[in-house]
Amino acid sequence: QQQVKQSPQSLIVQKGGIPIINCAYENTAFDYFPWYQQFPGKGPALLIAIRPDVSEKKEGRFTISFNKSAKQFSLHIMDSQPGDSATYFCAASNTRTGANNLFFGTGTRLTVIP
Amino acid sequence: NAGVTQTPKFRVLKTGQSMTLLCAQDMNHEYMYWYRQDPGMGLRLIHYSVGEGTTAKGEVPDGYNVSRLKKQNFLLGLESAAPSQTSVYFCASSGGYEQYFGPGTRLTVT
Repeated sequence: QQQVKQSPQSLIVQKGGIPIINCAYENTAFDYFPWYQQFPGKGPALLIAIRPDVSEKKEGRFTISFNKSAKQFSLHIMDSQPGDSATYFCAASNTRTGANNLFFGTGTRLTVIP
Repeated sequence: NAGVTQTPKFRVLKTGQSMTLLCAQDMNHEYMYWYRQDPGMGLRLIHYSVGEGTTAKGEVPDGYNVSRLKKQNFLLGLESAAPSQTSVYFCASSGGYEQYFGPGTRLTVT
């Protein structure tokens, strides 16, 4: 049973477009929501993360929007570039357990066309 | 500062063979994790450790064992490999919230 549901599975946008990737969760104990970026042949790397006490967080061209009541969060990439082409994973964890085990979504393969 | 390293990078096993994957980190992190990544399924936690000498089961622990005898190393063992264990395996370490991932090991079981 997937604890974090992610959509779409793949996404193709033109350079400069704003791809949006959506995630939903059920476990209200989750209190940490990171996004990881993975390039082919590499391990995932943290891109940006949010806690549920804020509704939005921006870091450069990347923005997380968080809707606690709907139990949904999304990643927006402003002014997307071909170098952003990668697979993106959302994740969630309950940091109060101590181990901070992450539950990942199934991933979105983003292609940015020049 | 190498971060998280994994050996080997690739391995092919026959059904029933055993092997050990090694993960090493040089960041003095307490927490270490083993994941497997399969197409369309994201990353799933196999086992994890919150400190030297401790291990615990994750989401998909069956068929795997782990050991953390030294703080910097986390070993993942397959005692009797099965084709269902064909996957890419990632190790990660963490000193807080962010997890740092290694480059992965691609394992094929025939």
